[in-house]
Amino acid sequence: AQSVTQLDSQVPVFEEAPVELRCNYSSSVSVYLFWYVQYPNQGLQLLLKYLSGSTLVKSINGFEAEFNKSQTSFHLRKPSVHISDTAEYFCAVSFMNRDDKIIFGKGTRLHILP
Amino acid sequence: DAGVTQSPTHLIKTRGQQVTLRCSPISGHKSVSWYQQVLGQGPQFIFQYYEKEERGRGNFPDRFSARQFPNYSSELNVNALLLGDSALYLCASSFRTPSSGNTIYFGEGSWLTVV
Repeated sequence: AQSVTQLDSQVPVFEEAPVELRCNYSSSVSVYLFWYVQYPNQGLQLLLKYLSGSTLVKSINGFEAEFNKSQTSFHLRKPSVHISDTAEYFCAVSFMNRDDKIIFGKGTRLHILP
Repeated sequence: DAGVTQSPTHLIKTRGQQVTLRCSPISGHKSVSWYQQVLGQGPQFIFQYYEKEERGRGNFPDRFSARQFPNYSSELNVNALLLGDSALYLCASSFRTPSSGNTIYFGEGSWLTVV
């Protein structure tokens, strides 16, 4: 069965500390991988994506994620977080040439401590 | 360019009523998807339309229906509303279908409260 697992529902971290948000997926076909961010009372914004090529992808605001096919993971990292990074982060998967749906994880709430 | 626009932004309905939510995709995008996001959960796939044809349907009852118009805008209809239908309904658009690797872009959503 196809699924996305975000192992942590909440991650508290001090400002300027590094953070990793974990994501694992299960699929019998090749996948495309995404991280979306949702600020309070807003819709989802694309943070970064992996379609093909280099397994390390980066966003403009300092986040990066690495696709690990053997471990079926797509963890999100940032070396130094800011208060403005407080949000809900969703890992998502779409399936190459298959179902036209995207499966989302349950989300990880990133809570930045001053 | 305008992003994905949805209307209404907030609405309150009574159990048993019907609701229609509207979505205009990004200009040039031919694929529209609908997702339901219950508080504290990730979005759940409801429907996907491409070139006015239904291309995917999630695990939702027949009370949920949708359509896509010639201008690629879309409507989501929910009949016989239940309290459990209270959620943020998100519309997303992409140039082609998600299965081709196209990124989907979300609107701000329609908050539906059923009382």
